[in-house]
Amino acid sequence: GAVVSQHPSRVICKSGTSVKIECRSLDFQATTMFWYRQFPKKSLMLMATSNEGSKATYEQGVEKDKFLINHASLTLSTLTVTSAHPEDSSFYICSATKAVATDTQYFGPGTRLTVL
Amino acid sequence: GDSVTQMEGPVTLSEEAFLTINCTYTATGYPSLFWYVQYPGEGLQLLLKATKADDKGSNKGFEATYRKETTSFHLEKGSVQVSDSAVYFCALGSNAGGTSYGKLTFGQGTILTVHP
Repeated sequence: GAVVSQHPSRVICKSGTSVKIECRSLDFQATTMFWYRQFPKKSLMLMATSNEGSKATYEQGVEKDKFLINHASLTLSTLTVTSAHPEDSSFYICSATKAVATDTQYFGPGTRLTVL
Repeated sequence: GDSVTQMEGPVTLSEEAFLTINCTYTATGYPSLFWYVQYPGEGLQLLLKATKADDKGSNKGFEATYRKETTSFHLEKGSVQVSDSAVYFCALGSNAGGTSYGKLTFGQGTILTVHP
C-alpha cells in the first residue's frame, strides 16, 4: 500500500497564532513530499516541494516565512502556518512519492484550517 | 508554463449514462497525464495515468487516452454508477529535470453527481 495521513484533520485557531500540520507516510519512506492548498471549488495549488533533510522549494508567490516546511525524516513532513490570518483559511493537502524520479504521488486526506 | 483545462462542471447524470469529462493541456516536453478522483470527505486518489502519447489508462471502467496531436486526455466511462459521484481532477506531471520532476499541475476539477 501507500498510505499518507495528515493530522489534524480539522483545526480552528485565532488570528495571530501559529498552526502546525503533520503529514506522515505510514507504510513507505517518502523521498519527496508536496504541500498543496485547495480553495473552495478550485483546483489544488502547489505550495512547496520538500525533500528529506534539505530546505523546501517554494512555488512563486508562496511566502516561505509564513508557511514553514520541515521534512525531518523520510516519513514526516510538517507545515507550520505562522501568524495565521483569516485569509489563510483553506484546505491543505500533502502528498508523497516513494522514490526519486517517480511521477506517482500519494495524497493525504487533507487538513481544514479555519482562522477566526 | 504548464497548464491544464477541464470542462466546467458540475456534471449531473442518471445511472448507466455515458460520461465524458474533457481535459486539455499545454506543456513543454513530454509530460505524464493523470486523472485523480476525490470522493466526499476523502483525499485524492489516483484513478488512472498515461505516460506517453497514444497510451490508454484505465481503471474501474474509466478510460483516458493520451492524445498528443490534440493535447487532450479526456476521461470516459460507458455506464456510470451512483458511487462514481465525486470530484475528478485532470493533472499533468512534469518530466523536466531537476526540481521540476514529478510536480503536478492540476485542472480546476469537475464535480460529477450521478442520480439513481
